[in-house]
Amino acid sequence: DTAVSQTPKYLVTQMGNDKSIKCEQNLGHDTMYWYKQDSKKFLKIMFSYNNKELIINETVPNRFSPKSPDKAHLNLHINSLELGDSAVYFCASSHYETGGAYEQYFGPGTRLTVT
Amino acid sequence: GEDVEQSLFLSVREGDSSVINCTYTDSSSTYLYWYKQEPGAGLQLLTYIFSNMDMKQDQRLTVLLNKKDKHLSLRIADTQTGDSAIYFCAERGGGADGLTFGKGTHLIIQP
Repeated sequence: DTAVSQTPKYLVTQMGNDKSIKCEQNLGHDTMYWYKQDSKKFLKIMFSYNNKELIINETVPNRFSPKSPDKAHLNLHINSLELGDSAVYFCASSHYETGGAYEQYFGPGTRLTVT
Repeated sequence: GEDVEQSLFLSVREGDSSVINCTYTDSSSTYLYWYKQEPGAGLQLLTYIFSNMDMKQDQRLTVLLNKKDKHLSLRIADTQTGDSAIYFCAERGGGADGLTFGKGTHLIIQP
């Protein structure tokens, strides 16, 4: 069974559209994350979220919003898509435990192409 | 702010050892991680080390941490073609924050 899954794997859309990427984890983790990997393979944290708090990277435009219907899911909504949003988006999850290693397990990624 | 630096490329011969280096600036880092990304794939957690340790070994992988110099390295013994990938160093400060990644080192294996 896939531990962290994302849908869709590929997403091609036009500028100005609104889209969502879904993420689900079956590891029983309580913290989930979204990362963006650009064309140069640079990875940046966008959000981290558990049932207590949402931490947002201040560089993320407010067109991006995470939504968590339950602990196993963290979806990413993107409004008014721009060309610069083209990237691979990775979801990850970990278990929050004081003093723990917070090993993060990553999904396979969603390649978003904005035309 | 937090910063993690890595060389972008490393080329080694098959069978030799590969040493991938990383430096970081956040002195509050509690854990440091190494991830592997093969072409078109997600990130695979290889290993991690707690900041009060200076070495960790796991089969062909050896992690060395010099906390004073904020330097982390990953040694892969007997490098194989299957080790060809991008290797990311990452650090985490505390709480439920996400990881800060280096830009990744492309490991190229020569026959």
